[in-house]
Amino acid sequence: DFVMTQSPDSLAVSLGERATINCKSSQSVFSSSNNKNYLAWYQQKPGQPPKLLISWASTRESGVPDRFSGGGSGTDFTLTISSLQAEDVAVYYCQQFYTTPPTTFGGGTKVEIK
Amino acid sequence: EVQLVQSGAEVKKPGESLKISCKTSGYSFTNYWIGWVRQMPGKGLEWMGIIYPGDSETKYSPSFHGQVTISADKSINTAYLQWNSLKASDTAIYYCARHPILGGYYYYYIDVWGKGTAVTVSS
Repeated sequence: DFVMTQSPDSLAVSLGERATINCKSSQSVFSSSNNKNYLAWYQQKPGQPPKLLISWASTRESGVPDRFSGGGSGTDFTLTISSLQAEDVAVYYCQQFYTTPPTTFGGGTKVEIK
Repeated sequence: EVQLVQSGAEVKKPGESLKISCKTSGYSFTNYWIGWVRQMPGKGLEWMGIIYPGDSETKYSPSFHGQVTISADKSINTAYLQWNSLKASDTAIYYCARHPILGGYYYYYIDVWGKGTAVTVSS
């Protein structure tokens, strides 16, 4: 089974500073057939459903601010918020969709303002 | 605009049955996998399973197989999640979730989420 491990569990960053979240998969999520990493990132604000931020490890969804970026390949991935804004306070989840069922989520990383 | 509108919050007793719904609009219901994600209080996201309304094929997470039933009614563009006998540990928010098609291929990340249905099971 795929296990997705996120770190840290929580992160406090000053406004305007960089936040980096890590996600490690127990197996590679890279497909050589299409040269893509089957990894997505979601943002969940308090009291709201999750929202898709990034698919294919680095492809930002329409309307997502460009301060959000995804990187990595294979088993190690990062979500970076280049300049933290107050509205970015949320829990962030990674998800592998390389194998289904089931697809699996990381445990989440809570981002707060320092 | 694609919308997934979920049924309202439920309070049930252990042993009772329940069926919650997710009414969709704004896209071709029969052509996309749609499913359910559980979020227990204060916890993370758990993918439960999905259904393809076009032919009612289902895929379940092993953790949820046999514990719930996912179904769909394509005449009213609605997906369902059903329990026959609820337990206190079923207390959670349940999100309806659509999986996208790209270039004719199905992928299992989630591009559209419902707002969630809170289920509370307590004696």
